[in-house]
Amino acid sequence: AQSVTQLDSHVSVSEGTPVLLRCNYSSSYSPSLFWYVQHPNKGLQLLLKYTSAATLVKGINGFEAEFKKSETSFHLTKPSAHMSDAAEYFCVVRADKLIFGTGTLLAVQP
Amino acid sequence: ETGVTQTPRHLVMGMTNKKSLKCEQHLGHNAMYWYKQSAKKPLELMFVYNFKEQTENNSVPSRFSPECPNSSHLFLHLHTLQPEDSALYLCASSQEVFTVNTEAFFGQGTRLTVV
Repeated sequence: AQSVTQLDSHVSVSEGTPVLLRCNYSSSYSPSLFWYVQHPNKGLQLLLKYTSAATLVKGINGFEAEFKKSETSFHLTKPSAHMSDAAEYFCVVRADKLIFGTGTLLAVQP
Repeated sequence: ETGVTQTPRHLVMGMTNKKSLKCEQHLGHNAMYWYKQSAKKPLELMFVYNFKEQTENNSVPSRFSPECPNSSHLFLHLHTLQPEDSALYLCASSQEVFTVNTEAFFGQGTRLTVV
């Protein structure tokens, strides 16, 4: 069975410092993995996706994620946080449907 | 804008009311979905439509009734809801139903409050 676990429900960083949002997955076969972002009162927007091509995936707004099969991880990173990055982030694994994590709320302090 | 539009953005309804949520996409997609997003819970897939045909119903109570008149429009008809049905209801669409490269585009959601 496929599942996804987001290890932190809340992450707080200072503006200009790195961001790390952690995600571990469970899949019985090579998965497709996604990160979505949801800003307040907005729908979900796709940040990036991994579909068995390059293991380091670059997305929008300076975010990237690295697929590590040995660690079953797909952590989302950004070198320098911006105030506009404050939002909720969802890690998603595709099985026969999209399976969403519980989300990580990112706060960016000035 | 993602190309998926939901109306209304906010809805307050009594438990005896009947209301409908509307979703529209002009992306030429063939698959549309309803999701429920409740506080502190993962997104729950409710219904899947592919080429206007319902292909999935994840044990959703009958007080939620979907309708897909064409590939561009999706409705969720609501009647005799319960307070625990209060949530953000998200509509999404994709070119095809959950293939390897499926990318789903989401609307902004309807914030539903049942009183």
